[in-house]
Amino acid sequence: NAGVTQTPKFQVLKTGQSMTLQCAQDMNHNSMYWYRQDPGMGLRLIYYSASEGTTDKGEVPNGYNVSRLNKREFSLRLESAAPSQTSVYFCASSEADGLDSGELFFGEGSRLTVL
Amino acid sequence: KQEVTQIPAALSVPEGENLVLNCSFTDSAIYNLQWFRQDPGKGLTSLLLIQSSQREQTSGRLNASLDKSSGRSTLYIAASQPGDSATYLCAVWRYNFNKFYFGSGTKLNVKP
Repeated sequence: NAGVTQTPKFQVLKTGQSMTLQCAQDMNHNSMYWYRQDPGMGLRLIYYSASEGTTDKGEVPNGYNVSRLNKREFSLRLESAAPSQTSVYFCASSEADGLDSGELFFGEGSRLTVL
Repeated sequence: KQEVTQIPAALSVPEGENLVLNCSFTDSAIYNLQWFRQDPGKGLTSLLLIQSSQREQTSGRLNASLDKSSGRSTLYIAASQPGDSATYLCAVWRYNFNKFYFGSGTKLNVKP
């Protein structure tokens, strides 16, 4: 059972470089989310997608862009990486359809370091 | 804005003890509440989901309860084991915002 799969698991970037984090889920979920987790800050929502073709900003969207490519895939792009974006990034998905959340499932995380 | 608080931030107990982890939230108009476990360097694993119409859920040695009127949920762990050592997080979901709001977690250490 794959669940939520994130790639890459580890990445080191230099300031100003760009990269895309990929996320795919095989549970036919409507909603997908990108979070970042930093020590002392907890989990913070970057962007989410309530359904294929829609995306919305979360708490900390600045410096990021997202694409809901299809129902399975939700990617997060850093256009010009900054050291402040050093973090662990988690993708998650749920059946949420506006009336019910369903159960939220997480990927294993992508550890990004920006030098 | 929904605020989710977990107290204490850290807890250390001897093996075999029964323990309670707390989660409180400011807005009682939540729909669902979910408890997670996170091991160091790993993702979050779902433990229990309490849906709107439910007041509690049980899985093995874990029991979670939800009291919307008081804005509180508790996670009860019976007969704790060293393998239970992890960070436990709760998250609430409000249907009209289509978002999950997370607490900062309780780091549990169960000593052999």
